[in-house]
Amino acid sequence: QVHLVESGGGVVQPGRSLRLSCAASRFSFSSYGMHWVRQAPGKGLEWVAVILYDGSNEHYADSVRGRFTISRDNSKSTLYLQMNSLRAEDTAVYYCAKGGGILGSRNWNDVAVLDPWGQGTLVTVSS
Amino acid sequence: QSVLTQPPSASGTPGQRVTISCSGSSSNIGRYSVAWYQQLPGTAPKLLIYGDDARPSGVPDRFSGSKSGTSASLAISGLLSEDEGDYYCATWDGSLTVVFGGGTKLTVL
Repeated sequence: QVHLVESGGGVVQPGRSLRLSCAASRFSFSSYGMHWVRQAPGKGLEWVAVILYDGSNEHYADSVRGRFTISRDNSKSTLYLQMNSLRAEDTAVYYCAKGGGILGSRNWNDVAVLDPWGQGTLVTVSS
Repeated sequence: QSVLTQPPSASGTPGQRVTISCSGSSSNIGRYSVAWYQQLPGTAPKLLIYGDDARPSGVPDRFSGSKSGTSASLAISGLLSEDEGDYYCATWDGSLTVVFGGGTKLTVL
């Protein structure tokens, strides 16, 4: 059964940086696209970023483009989210999720299916 | 403001059938498949429906999805108290992003 565990959350001051990690296990990590999604306190889900199985392609939400970078290390089965120039509105629980589709899929329609999700890690941006 | 539009709330009594709508446009629902996610209180979201109307293994057949044009719907029949939570629709968008609906809070009366 696919297992995803996020880490790296915490309290950070506005303008500072933070890197989140998502350790994956029990599936062929290097064969699937991966996502980050966030949820501000009491709010709905907001998609953040996606990266293809081989790291060759990535896309971002407008709200984070230019500040956040998604990356992966397939040798360590780990997904990352580097968050720079953090703002108060970035405060949220950050979830990683496995993308759908067949092994090595580049079909965004399939990769866009998020299953399963990790338990999330809380990032609080506050002075 | 979410790209996909859902009603903020829905409710029903145990055993009833409830439907949640999701409205989009030709750049998202009109072109790509819709997925539905269930988020029970205090837990991470879980995939409920993908490919407009397919259920992952383990999801009861009380849950069903459909799509017509630029709108999609999630139907829950035989409502149970354990179904109470938040439901989100989502799909790929031509802007090269995943878009979510604002979520619908389902209350079982």
